Amino acid sequence: GAVVSQHPSWVICKSGTSVKIECRSLDFQATTMFWYRQFPKQSLMLMATSNEGSKATYEQGVEKDKFLINHASLTLSTLTVTSAHPEDSSFYICSARDLSSQGSTDTQYFGPGTRLTVL
Amino acid sequence: GESVGLHLPTLSVQEGDNSIINCAYSNSASDYFIWYKQESGKGPQFIIDIRSNMDKRQGQRVTVLLNKTVKHLSLQIAATQPGDSAVYFCAENNFGNEKLTFGTGTRLTIIP
Repeated sequence: GAVVSQHPSWVICKSGTSVKIECRSLDFQATTMFWYRQFPKQSLMLMATSNEGSKATYEQGVEKDKFLINHASLTLSTLTVTSAHPEDSSFYICSARDLSSQGSTDTQYFGPGTRLTVL
Repeated sequence: GESVGLHLPTLSVQEGDNSIINCAYSNSASDYFIWYKQESGKGPQFIIDIRSNMDKRQGQRVTVLLNKTVKHLSLQIAATQPGDSAVYFCAENNFGNEKLTFGTGTRLTIIP
């Protein structure tokens, strides 16, 4: 089956620093990737839709200048949390949509998540 | 609309019994529904999906039921095993919109 990886799996950083999280589709190409944030005991909240070769589409309330998304290739999207603060501590999860499933909505594969802790 | 999880409902089931997890969705235009399983510290794992032209779909030990009239979705897990302990989320979208909207989630605990 399709595999999506994330790196790092966890990261601890100091307040004010920036953190980059990578999302890779390992055995398929993805024109579209999605970034979610999940707080403890809560559901996944979509942050943005990452489109290869174009600007990301952010959900309402998500600061695009704080959460920078780059989808440079069909297998890689990155999320950079700039000037991180303790309230940014969360579980960040990406998903990727298989390019070959164009027209179908049932092939969104999730990564294992990245635990970010900002001190 | 968006579902925001403020409280995580819990369900405890004896090992070997059947479990039923429920989900109410809000968007009447949604025509595709998915159940995901999420274990602690991991990403969601696809379990089963169903389109709005169906009201029941079966997989291995799992069955999804869809009632569009009341906008209700359920996941039935037969003969539950310890490995079924996890948080289960329903998700919805409509064809042409790639975005998934996740439900609140239910924590399923299997009692040995």
